[in-house]
This record gives sequence, structure tokens and C-alpha cells, in this order.
Amino acid sequence: QQQVKQSPQSLIVQKGGISIINCAYENTAFDYFPWYQQFPGKGPALLIAIRPDVSEKKEGRFTISFNKSAKQFSLHIMDSQPGDSATYFCAANAGNNRKLIWGLGTSLAVNP
Amino acid sequence: NAGVTQTPKFRVLKTGQSMTLLCAQDMNHEYMYWYRQDPGMGLRLIHYSVGEGTTAKGEVPDGYNVSRLKKQNFLLGLESAAPSQTSVYFCASSPGFSYEQYFGPGTRLTVT
Repeated sequence: QQQVKQSPQSLIVQKGGISIINCAYENTAFDYFPWYQQFPGKGPALLIAIRPDVSEKKEGRFTISFNKSAKQFSLHIMDSQPGDSATYFCAANAGNNRKLIWGLGTSLAVNP
Repeated sequence: NAGVTQTPKFRVLKTGQSMTLLCAQDMNHEYMYWYRQDPGMGLRLIHYSVGEGTTAKGEVPDGYNVSRLKKQNFLLGLESAAPSQTSVYFCASSPGFSYEQYFGPGTRLTVT
């Protein structure tokens, strides 16, 4: 049972455009929502994360928008660059043992 | 600091063979995790550890065993490899004060 649903599966954006990836969750006990970035042949790396008491967090060109009532959160990449081409995973923390529940990933391609 | 390292990087096994994947971290992290990544399936947790000498089952533990005899090492064993275990395996670690997971570079395993 997929507890974190991520969409779209793949995304193509032109350089300079805005990339938007969405995630929806079911468990209201989740208390931490990270986004990870993975380049081909590498392990995922934390990009940005948010707690449910905040509606938005921005780090450079990357922004997380969080809607607690709708149980949704999204990643916005402003001024997308070819170097942003990667797979992006959303996740949610599921308790004190620090287990993350992962989305299935979004493959982003930014055309030059 | 080397961060999280994984040995080996690549391996080809025949069905029924056994092997051990080694994960080492030099960040003194409490939590360690083993994931497998398959196309379209995201990251699936195999086993995890919340501290030295502890292990617990994740989402897909069947066919795998783990041990964490030393805090810095987390071993993943395949006793009798099957073609369904062909995958990329990632190890991750996390400190006690943060939810961030730090990933290794991965091991690509092929079982023929």
C-alpha cells in the first residue's frame, strides 16, 4: 500500500521554466517531509525538507509548499536548469525509528 | 570524512550463491538502513538498525539477513541469491538528532 503518492512519474521542462512535483500522503502522524535528489549512478541526497507546522520553505531556487488540510506537499524548482535533470523523491517520516516512507520518484529532464 | 561507503560497487552472482554487502559510515550515526531500488518501484526498505547490536525488518526483508556488530558497519547478506534480487542496493545512515539520511553510492547486483 503506497502511503505517499508522487506525481508525475516523469516531467520535461524547458530551461528557465518552473518544475512542479506533487506528493500526497495519508497518515496524519507523519511529521517530516523531505525531498531527495538523485543523479544517475549516485545515491539520493537530501535537497530540502519541511515540518507540518510550516506552509512553505524556500532554499534558493527550490521551494516546498505544504498543505496540511489537503495532506499534500509539492516541490517547485524555479528557473529550472539542465543540471537539475535528475530523479526526485518525496518522503515522509513514519515514527521514532526514523523510517522514511518514499514516493516512487519523478524523472525530471530540463531541456537546454 | 568518507561519509557512507559500500563494498563492492558491482557484483554478478549465479542463482543459489551467497554474498555479503558491506556498508561503512564514519559519521558516528546511530541509524543505518538498507534499501533496494528497482525501476518504477522507488526505494524499498529491506532492514534497518537503530543502534549497534540492533536490527529490524523493513518492507521487503525476505531473502536477506543483516548484522550490526559495530556501530560503523551494517552488513547485508544474501544466503541463496535469486534473480528477483537483481537490483541496486543502497545503504544509508542517519544521526540521532536529525531525520536526514545520508546515502552511499550503491551496489549494482545482478543474479543470473
